[in-house]
Amino acid sequence: GDSVTQMEGPVTLSEEAFLTINCTYTATGYPSLFWYVQYPGEGLQLLLKATKADDKGSNKGFEATYRKETTSFHLEKGSVQVSDSAVYFCALDNYGQNFVFGPGTRLSVLP
Amino acid sequence: SAVISQKPSRDICQRGTSLTIQCQVDSQVTMMFWYRQQPGQSLTLIATANQGSEATYESGFVIDKFPISRPNLTFSTLTVSNMSPEDSSIYLCSGVGTSSGNYGYTFGSGTRLTVV
Repeated sequence: GDSVTQMEGPVTLSEEAFLTINCTYTATGYPSLFWYVQYPGEGLQLLLKATKADDKGSNKGFEATYRKETTSFHLEKGSVQVSDSAVYFCALDNYGQNFVFGPGTRLSVLP
Repeated sequence: SAVISQKPSRDICQRGTSLTIQCQVDSQVTMMFWYRQQPGQSLTLIATANQGSEATYESGFVIDKFPISRPNLTFSTLTVSNMSPEDSSIYLCSGVGTSSGNYGYTFGSGTRLTVV
């Protein structure tokens, strides 16, 4: 079945450091890919998405590119802030039939 | 995408009692789902809420413990019955629309449940 794998956390960075959170997936067909963020004590928020190969999703300085050849959707940000501390979930949606979350990666950014 | 209002946002409940969580969508969605997120873990699908019929439950979840209603295309409830401390989790609903302009998954803001 469809699955999503993320790098294990927690990830701890200093403010202004470069962030990469790896995400790879296994799915039949061509799913849409998402990154969700969960700030402490809050629900899930959509961070960005990409619906086809080579699409780049971006929001709030975060970016991720849909790489079909490597089945990846790595999340990047050039300069993280303390306010980016949260749990990040990679997910896929296979045409509305099967929405699958990765295990989540906790990011802590230190001042 | 649709906007989902979920309530309550949090509650502290006594063991043995039940809590009903509501989700209201601002537009019609084809499918609605309920998830549980236990502390420090990812989301686990509890069930698919089917309009006008019984929900479809994932392995490990049963209707007696998590009864679900979905009377129309914009509203659903999840009840956590006969609660125990192990039920302390965040519960989230989501909806997916498939019509033009309304495609994609949207999540409610979650209900943080603590059972004491």
